[in-house]
Amino acid sequence: GENVEQHPSTLSVQEGDSAVIKCTYSDSASNYFPWYKQELGKRPQLIIDIRSNVGEKKDQRIAVTLNKTAKHFSLHITETQPEDSAVYFCAARRSNYGQNFVFGPGTRLSVLP
Amino acid sequence: DARVTQTPRHKVTEMGQEVTMRCQPILGHNTVFWYRQTMMQGLELLAYFRNRAPLDDSGMPKDRFSAEMPDATLATLKIQPSEPRDSAVYFCASGPGQPNTEAFFGQGTRLTVV
Repeated sequence: GENVEQHPSTLSVQEGDSAVIKCTYSDSASNYFPWYKQELGKRPQLIIDIRSNVGEKKDQRIAVTLNKTAKHFSLHITETQPEDSAVYFCAARRSNYGQNFVFGPGTRLSVLP
Repeated sequence: DARVTQTPRHKVTEMGQEVTMRCQPILGHNTVFWYRQTMMQGLELLAYFRNRAPLDDSGMPKDRFSAEMPDATLATLKIQPSEPRDSAVYFCASGPGQPNTEAFFGQGTRLTVV
């Protein structure tokens, strides 16, 4: 089955700096990779996703890169703001029916003012 | 704004009691997931349904947990008997069942077993 690892487990950055979170997956058949943000006491919410036919995707201050050969993908947040502080989860999924999302263990990001 | 609805939001119960958590997936979604979240284990999949049929419940302790979808608008997760180690936040998520699409999470049920 799929196994997703995520690093680092905690990350502190100064406001305005960039943050990078990295994930690796084991199942080469996985082809959908979402990133979820979970604020304290709230539900995980999708912030960006990438499909295996794309190497990079950007949405304002957030970008995700995918390296299928190496089986890793990364989340990049630029110009971090205090409201970016949260736990971020990466996940991997195969597109065919019957495959659930496998989540990484999460990264707690703290943006210091 | 379509959302996954979970009830109750909070539940405190005594060890040995039955607990039932309910989830209303987004209308039209045909995949439903139950996840348990703890500090130690992160997001663990308990059960996964497609078109109301269970596809994967390998992460669920079968002796005390059960998950069902009586109809397309309701998913339930039961624990009987509950134990203190079951204390966690239980999330339900639903998806449209198409390839390469996200799962939408409910607000979760915070369960405390004392």
